[in-house]
Amino acid sequence: SAVISQKPSRDICQRGTSLTIQCQVDSQVTMMFWYRQQPGQSLTLIATANQGSEATYESGFVIDKFPISRPNLTFSTLTVSNMSPEDSSIYLCSVYQEGSLDTQYFGPGTRLTVL
Amino acid sequence: GNSVTQMEGPVTLSEEAFLTINCTYTATGYPSLFWYVQYPGEGLQLLLKATKADDKGSNKGFEATYRKETTSFHLEKGSVQVSDSAVYFCALSDPSASKIIFGSGTRLSIRP
Repeated sequence: SAVISQKPSRDICQRGTSLTIQCQVDSQVTMMFWYRQQPGQSLTLIATANQGSEATYESGFVIDKFPISRPNLTFSTLTVSNMSPEDSSIYLCSVYQEGSLDTQYFGPGTRLTVL
Repeated sequence: GNSVTQMEGPVTLSEEAFLTINCTYTATGYPSLFWYVQYPGEGLQLLLKATKADDKGSNKGFEATYRKETTSFHLEKGSVQVSDSAVYFCALSDPSASKIIFGSGTRLSIRP
């Protein structure tokens, strides 16, 4: 399976600021995804990061709040903009096992606290 | 639409007890089914999966069987350990939308 790393692993930020989270995969993958996990909750898909084109956002998530970049097949960033305490969550990136469109593997997550 | 319903937690058991976490699903077509585990302070790890009816996924002593007739994928382990304390998520693939749909998660705590 792909090995996925994320930076930072955790951060504490002030409201009104922005944070960019990086996701690096050790092999080329077609599809990358960003999820949010609010405290005590399940995972909610934010968007699919598309290489060479704009990300595809799920209902309730917009590009101005969560801009995403995907410059190549091994790397993506998610920015959480103009943060408020409600953005305090774990943010996870994931990829599909290449050649398979059913199994996703997840990074270790970025634990964000907004004061 | 496709959905996953899993047993409400938290679940607390004594070490060496038998574990069942129920999961049922609603889906069109033939999804793959998964159990993911999230240990404290960590991301999600794939625990096991099954891709078609009557398949049994297994890993680390955990098992789950894909039951199409009851639309279920219950997670079982014969003898739990303290190290199994984690949150367990049932999930299904939605090939038509290239998505994974997660259940709400079940927190499991094992007492020594």
